[in-house]
Amino acid sequence: GAVVSQHPSRVICKSGTSVKIECRSLDFQATTMFWYRQFPKQSLMLMATSNEGSKATYEQGVEKDKFLINHASLTLSTLTVTSAHPEDSSFYICSALRTPNTYGYTFGSGTRLTVV
Amino acid sequence: DQQVKQNSPSLSVQEGRISILNCDYTNSMFDYFLWYKKYPAEGPTFLISISSIKDKNEDGRFTVFLNKSAKHLSLHIVPSQPGDSAVYFCAASGGGADGLTFGKGTHLIIQP
Repeated sequence: GAVVSQHPSRVICKSGTSVKIECRSLDFQATTMFWYRQFPKQSLMLMATSNEGSKATYEQGVEKDKFLINHASLTLSTLTVTSAHPEDSSFYICSALRTPNTYGYTFGSGTRLTVV
Repeated sequence: DQQVKQNSPSLSVQEGRISILNCDYTNSMFDYFLWYKKYPAEGPTFLISISSIKDKNEDGRFTVFLNKSAKHLSLHIVPSQPGDSAVYFCAASGGGADGLTFGKGTHLIIQP
């Protein structure tokens, strides 16, 4: 089956520093990858959609200069939280779509980011 | 505004009985619906899905029903097992390459 690997699973960083989260599709090529954020006891909120080789599309209210997304290949997308602040502490989850119009979304295991 | 709503934050069901989780949506452009199971600090695990052209889809113990006119779907789990205890998210998609819109989840607790 399709597997998406997300790394790191947990990271603690100091306020003002940047953190990079990687999302890899291990056994398939993902035309599209998505990044979500989940606050405690809340829904998963879509942050942005990234397509290989093009700029990411951000949802309303998500700062593109703060959450940098790079989708350099069909198997790797990265999310960099720049100049992190405590309010950025959250659970970040990526998802990869194997083929458009098949609704075959596969999720990574998530990254718990804590900014201190 | 929340386009996908799960109005029950939690649900307690006795082992062996039927669990029914409900989900409502407001966006008529949604054409595909999915249910995920999730544990804390883990990614969601896909359970079952349904296209808007169908009203029922069944997979083992899991059945999803869609009432398009009421913009309502439900997930039935029967019989419920202790391992089913988790948070269940309803999600909707408006297109083949769109991200998903999630509800807030329902914490299902299966009691022995």
